[in-house]
Amino acid sequence: NAGVTQTPKFRVLKTGQSMTLLCAQDMNHEYMYWYRQDPGMGLRLIHYSVGEGTTAKGEVPDGYNVSRLKKQNFLLGLESAAPSQTSVYFCASSYSPPGGSEAFFGQGTRLTVV
Amino acid sequence: EDKVVQSPLSLVVHEGDTVTLNCSYEVTNFRSLLWYKQEKKAPTFLFMLTSSGIEKKSGRLSSILDKKELFSILNITATQTGDSAVYLCAAPLYGGATNKLIFGTGTLLAVQP
Repeated sequence: NAGVTQTPKFRVLKTGQSMTLLCAQDMNHEYMYWYRQDPGMGLRLIHYSVGEGTTAKGEVPDGYNVSRLKKQNFLLGLESAAPSQTSVYFCASSYSPPGGSEAFFGQGTRLTVV
Repeated sequence: EDKVVQSPLSLVVHEGDTVTLNCSYEVTNFRSLLWYKQEKKAPTFLFMLTSSGIEKKSGRLSSILDKKELFSILNITATQTGDSAVYLCAAPLYGGATNKLIFGTGTLLAVQP
């Protein structure tokens, strides 16, 4: 009963390095989201996807790119990591548009950029 | 600008107390409001509210929506240490092809023995 799986769970990057976070869901959900969570800031939407092959910008998209080549996977890329991107990243998915059904979350990826 | 605002930011209570968490919203084309509980890791779903004045209840937790005054409350009665968590309120934004879920900053609840 996997649900939403994020890899990796932890990562430390040097400034300027690149990396990709993978989110996989096995619930056949159309909607997938990437959020970042910082102290006192709640969950802020980075990018999201309303279906395979589609992506859209959220509240804080700068410095990130995403791809949704397969329905079950949603990738978040950092091309040139900066210390300001130190955060906990959550992926989520939902069957229908948000508010039509609950969103299910992955366990999070703690990223530190030094 | 669409937004969701929660209060208080943090709260410390003793076991057995009753707490009320607040969520106000300004959302274009409002349809629903969701509550989540976040302990150490992933947020977990609590309630989805769509109709004004109808209480949703799950054990010691209950929630209600007021679409006239644009707010929701989450009540927890007879609190236990296991209720310690961040409680998040969220609202979906609908904009044609751009449907997304935005969150408030959360309320950190600490229940002391």
